Amino acid sequence: DGGITQSPKYLFRKEGQNVTLSCEQNLNHDAMYWYRQDPGQGLRLIYYSQIVNDFQKGDIAEGYSVSREKKESFPLTVTSAQKNPTAFYLCASSRFSGPYNEQFFGPGTRLTVL
Amino acid sequence: AQTVTQSQPEMSVQEAETVTLSCTYDTSENNYYLFWYKQPPSRQMILVIRQEAYKQQNATENRFSVNFQKAAKSFSLKISDSQLGDTAMYFCAFGGDRETSGSRLTFGEGTQLTVNP
Repeated sequence: DGGITQSPKYLFRKEGQNVTLSCEQNLNHDAMYWYRQDPGQGLRLIYYSQIVNDFQKGDIAEGYSVSREKKESFPLTVTSAQKNPTAFYLCASSRFSGPYNEQFFGPGTRLTVL
Repeated sequence: AQTVTQSQPEMSVQEAETVTLSCTYDTSENNYYLFWYKQPPSRQMILVIRQEAYKQQNATENRFSVNFQKAAKSFSLKISDSQLGDTAMYFCAFGGDRETSGSRLTFGEGTQLTVNP
């Protein structure tokens, strides 16, 4: 089955540590996205990538970094510079061609800073 | 920049009744797409329905339909015959012309819908 996987489902980090969240898709989608969701709030865009080896900052990129070395993978690193990283993180992908830019989402990763 | 506003943070409805969720947006583009996503307690985001701005006919997917008013920049979601499984957070999203806006979507703050038995 085609889809998006995120791992791990739950992640705990000590203050001062960098952690990397995994996102993989086998939908052959060109574009991938990372969102942050805080309790009771909407989705805020962290980074997105429309093609391999290229990515753009979203609305809240500070303290985060990404890479896009392969079409199917878009890992997100939460660095120690991110002051309040505890949140739910969602990865999504979409086709860049075609009439729709509908996004498909992964199941999410819950990050907690101890 | 586009903005999406959902003015109802929470709503509730009795099972089998109809409920309408509101969404307004602001854009200067003429060609765009609008979406409603559902996020149940599992937190998996699921596409409910989509609308192309150049189509005047309102989109319908089974019990879900939209009222798209382009001039008013309004995009409401109607859920008929509400079911307990419809309990979720609902997000309205805007996708602009990719030539000018790229492929990103702009999401509203969400409306938490609770269906009561």
